Amino acid sequence: DGGITQSPKYLFRKEGQNVTLSCEQNLNHDAMYWYRQDPGQGLRLIYYSQIVNDFQKGDIAEGYSVSREKKESFPLTVTSAQKNPTAFYLCASSMTGYSTDTQYFGPGTRLTVL
Amino acid sequence: DQQVKQNSPSLSVQEGRISILNCDYTNSMFDYFLWYKKYPAEGPTFLISISSIKDKNEDGRFTVFLNKSAKHLSLHIVPSQPGDSAVYFCAATHGRPGGTSYGKLTFGQGTILTVHP
Repeated sequence: DGGITQSPKYLFRKEGQNVTLSCEQNLNHDAMYWYRQDPGQGLRLIYYSQIVNDFQKGDIAEGYSVSREKKESFPLTVTSAQKNPTAFYLCASSMTGYSTDTQYFGPGTRLTVL
Repeated sequence: DQQVKQNSPSLSVQEGRISILNCDYTNSMFDYFLWYKKYPAEGPTFLISISSIKDKNEDGRFTVFLNKSAKHLSLHIVPSQPGDSAVYFCAATHGRPGGTSYGKLTFGQGTILTVHP
């Protein structure tokens, strides 16, 4: 059953702690993406990767870091430098990084920083 | 700078009637547009897309219209069903390879559609 998994669905962390959100895909897609959704706003791109061992900053990369050591995995670390980390985080993948490729989304992780 | 705007935060429609969701964009480089549907606490799912070389694309009950001169697109759902109740996001991108925005989607704020039985 192919798809994108994100775990956990809900995550709570204390202020000042780094936290890593998991994203795995078994669709054999080259490109992967991280978005953030806040209430009343659209999805905003944090980071994207078009190929293993390469990634690019999106519109709101400050306070976040990523790695892409394996094709299937694109973890996102929310660091203590992110000023407003509480949000719904969505991971997506597409076959290539080409703009007309459909992006498939995971179920999301809701991060709450206390 | 909001390059893709959905000015209606919500829309309420009776079952069986037409739902029209609107989206405006400002970046003239955008040449490919998509609509995604999202249920609460789930990831968005792709609905329909349109290239700038077309002005209409249809898929079952869903039709997207593109007016390039007005930088406006709309999604029509006919007939609307209660299961269509969700948040609808408009997204735009441009397909020029090699640029820093290659493959990047820019999303609108979303419109909450409620279809009443």
